[in-house]
Amino acid sequence: DVKVTQSSRYLVKRTGEKVFLECVQDMDHENMFWYRQDPGLGLRLIYFSYDVKMKEKGDIPEGYSVSREKKERFSLILESASTNQTSMYLCASSLPGQGAKNIQYFGAGTRLSVL
Amino acid sequence: RKEVEQDPGPFNVPEGATVAFNCTYSNSASQSFFWYRQDCRKEPKLLMSVYSSGNEDGRFTAQLNRASQYISLLIRDSKLSDSATYLCVVPQVPYNFNKFYFGSGTKLNVKP
Repeated sequence: DVKVTQSSRYLVKRTGEKVFLECVQDMDHENMFWYRQDPGLGLRLIYFSYDVKMKEKGDIPEGYSVSREKKERFSLILESASTNQTSMYLCASSLPGQGAKNIQYFGAGTRLSVL
Repeated sequence: RKEVEQDPGPFNVPEGATVAFNCTYSNSASQSFFWYRQDCRKEPKLLMSVYSSGNEDGRFTAQLNRASQYISLLIRDSKLSDSATYLCVVPQVPYNFNKFYFGSGTKLNVKP
């Protein structure tokens, strides 16, 4: 069964802290994604990666960085957390290609609160 | 104009009703489309894929109207358990490492 695992369901951090969100997938997918989801704004792409050590900025990369040292793991880093980064963070993975390969599989999400 | 647009709802319907909602997309070259279901405070999960004119799975039917650039999701005989937010997803075209455009979702409440 397909599985995308995010390390934490809930996190509470203080302004200025460095925050690591981890995501692991067991499907040998090349593509991995980090989104944030806010009420009324839907899912917005922060970064995505199409291979180990490869990354591309999404629509809202400011204040975030990512790391992909192994195929199965994609980390999102908040260098200095701010209150406007309070959100639900969703990791996803997919195969490369088109059609049915476009199906994304999501982790359960991390609800981050920055105080 | 947004790449993908949905009516946010909520659509409030009684059990057993038939309900339909649409998703419009801006790129006429788009070839594949997806409906995801998201329960409250949970992750999105794939409901249906649409690659040609439409798809049907039990009580759920997705239809594609290329001329008007929208896809619809029809739910027949609504169940309480259908209450959720339904997200429309369209991959970027031309193909770009599977980048996706998400609608903001349509909320459905099925009442007893």
